[in-house]
Amino acid sequence: DAGVIQSPRHEVTEMGQEVTLRCKPISGHNSLFWYRQTMMRGLELLIYFNNNVPIDDSGMPEDRFSAKMPNASFSTLKIQPSEPRDSAVYFCASSPAGGVTEAFFGQGTRLTVV
Amino acid sequence: QKEVEQNSGPLSVPEGAIASLNCTYSDRGSQSFWYRQYSGKSPELIMSIYSNGDKEDGRFTAQLNKASQYVSLLIRDSQPSDSATYLCAVNSGSSASKIIFGSGTRLSIRP
Repeated sequence: DAGVIQSPRHEVTEMGQEVTLRCKPISGHNSLFWYRQTMMRGLELLIYFNNNVPIDDSGMPEDRFSAKMPNASFSTLKIQPSEPRDSAVYFCASSPAGGVTEAFFGQGTRLTVV
Repeated sequence: QKEVEQNSGPLSVPEGAIASLNCTYSDRGSQSFWYRQYSGKSPELIMSIYSNGDKEDGRFTAQLNKASQYVSLLIRDSQPSDSATYLCAVNSGSSASKIIFGSGTRLSIRP
């Protein structure tokens, strides 16, 4: 299996622009997680899905952030409008059985908002 | 209180010695995990531990005490390649289906 695939690997955008991050989970995994990692705050859980349904989005920082999972093989995280403080590495991870088993991470998207 | 707490380090250990990493958590999660993250890379799973007691895998031993909400990771015969950030994680929530991470401990193995 190719593992969790994220795109793009790097994104540089101007403040105020819309940013869309993409994730393809491992086939057969029924849970998907979006994390954000910064030096100051570490690895924060933003939202997670079970069977394509958002279960807990309490980590989403504000209304500028939204996430969707239209099917079992694809998810997006959108930031609109983007701000410099959104600069971070965003990871997508998937798990075969919710959080009962471990999560497998993608390579991450490094987002820079200037 | 943060849900998962770790000493940020850096923890410096001489090559060949035992490195000891500790983690406490606030929610009575069912499972605990240790991940390793090299600089610029994504976290990768080292160990998962679900039951109280010790679990050994090669040079790594995880110890879990659910009553004390404490989990540790011991690395024996530390190697320079073990230098990385080690992230503790637990599953949490009403259905124990979300995985929460600590901020990580930076480990440096000095030759």
